[in-house]
Amino acid sequence: DSGVTQTPKHLITATGQRVTLRCSPRSGDLSVYWYQQSLDQGLQFLIQYYNGEERAKGNILERFSAQQFPDLHSELNLSSLELGDSALYFCASSVGTSGYNEQFFGPGTRLTVL
Amino acid sequence: KNQVEQSPQSLIILEGKNCTLQCNYTVSPFSNLRWYKQDTGRGPVSLTIMTFSENTKSNGRYTATLDADTKQSSLHITASQLSDSASYICVVSVGTYKYIFGTGTRLKVLA
Repeated sequence: DSGVTQTPKHLITATGQRVTLRCSPRSGDLSVYWYQQSLDQGLQFLIQYYNGEERAKGNILERFSAQQFPDLHSELNLSSLELGDSALYFCASSVGTSGYNEQFFGPGTRLTVL
Repeated sequence: KNQVEQSPQSLIILEGKNCTLQCNYTVSPFSNLRWYKQDTGRGPVSLTIMTFSENTKSNGRYTATLDADTKQSSLHITASQLSDSASYICVVSVGTYKYIFGTGTRLKVLA
């Protein structure tokens, strides 16, 4: 158990809908990262937050947005969902922003868009 | 273009045997390279991390090497166990905030 929690574990929804994925980082970690992993694809870095502020953006679509709240939990909002958005979404946390800080991954949220 | 390529895509070995996984990268500026192990359906777990000046790093039966001149890294697994069956992912940090992930090598260890 990494100490990072994600909810829900599974999510099934229809095209065009909007969903929110939630992540609670490890105690003491200030950085939160979001990743997308499609079937048989590598992990794609989406976005990073540090202490409530956006720090880095990766391959995140405009239909997706995220935020980190004062209690450091983070939410990833996915809207106007398409079939191709079906994937595992991972959240990770680390103590700081340095690339040398180990990232601890949560168990993931499996999103299925029908 | 920043890229991380891993080989082989998949590998099957017998329990007790050794194996080596490869990672080649074209990334600038290089910050560090990390190997992750990902069990099916679970989040990745860090195995090793190396900076530019480090040539080798071990974690139990896992040994990673880095050749910054040729931009190659390898992960050597010694005396494989059934629990080593997983995907192994090479990740290179670019500058401070950017991460380039390889597509991974899927390892299957057979009894």
